[in-house]
Amino acid sequence: KAGVTQTPRYLIKTRGQQVTLSCSPISGHRSVSWYQQTPGQGLQFLFEYFSETQRNKGNFPGRFSGRQFSNSRSEMNVSTLELGDSALYLCASSIYGLAGLDTQYFGPGTRLTVL
Amino acid sequence: QQQVKQSPQSLIVQKGGIPIINCAYENTAFDYFPWYQQFPGKGPALLIAIRPDVSEKKEGRFTISFNKSAKQFSLHIMDSQPGDSATYFCAASSPGGKLIFGQGTELSVKP
Repeated sequence: KAGVTQTPRYLIKTRGQQVTLSCSPISGHRSVSWYQQTPGQGLQFLFEYFSETQRNKGNFPGRFSGRQFSNSRSEMNVSTLELGDSALYLCASSIYGLAGLDTQYFGPGTRLTVL
Repeated sequence: QQQVKQSPQSLIVQKGGIPIINCAYENTAFDYFPWYQQFPGKGPALLIAIRPDVSEKKEGRFTISFNKSAKQFSLHIMDSQPGDSATYFCAASSPGGKLIFGQGTELSVKP
């Protein structure tokens, strides 16, 4: 079975621009979660989608948004980029999205650099 | 109350040593405590997990010790190898909730 794939792997943007990141979950997985990873803050939860509905949301500003399509693929968008948005953005998929009941599998991440 | 505090931030051991990484939590509703291992350029991968009804779980060279009364849990790596050099994250969640991750520990095992 193919793992979680994320595209692109690397992105360089400038302040004020917007960016869209894509995640393809493992086949059969209906839950997709997004995390921001930085050296100072560690792994921080952004949001989770299940069957095209946002089910959980972390404490990030409204500039961070996402969506999930009927094939479970997900995108996240960051508008009006700030320098502090430079991070590794990780996507994780699981069958039900219920921590402890099924395992989250992470993709390799998208490294976003904002100049 | 949703935080998971992890220490140390970094750790260097010699091959064969037993690195120990500690985590503490406040939320007594947490009932699932996984550890993830992350190599450079890769996403985190589930290593081992425990529930509060057991005090210890072993999988190969990896052991989780759990102290429910102290609200602490730790990861021990027996006979550590250079290939174990990675960043380790503890996490916790309540039933049906989202995973809350610790800050991560960068482990380096010297040959």
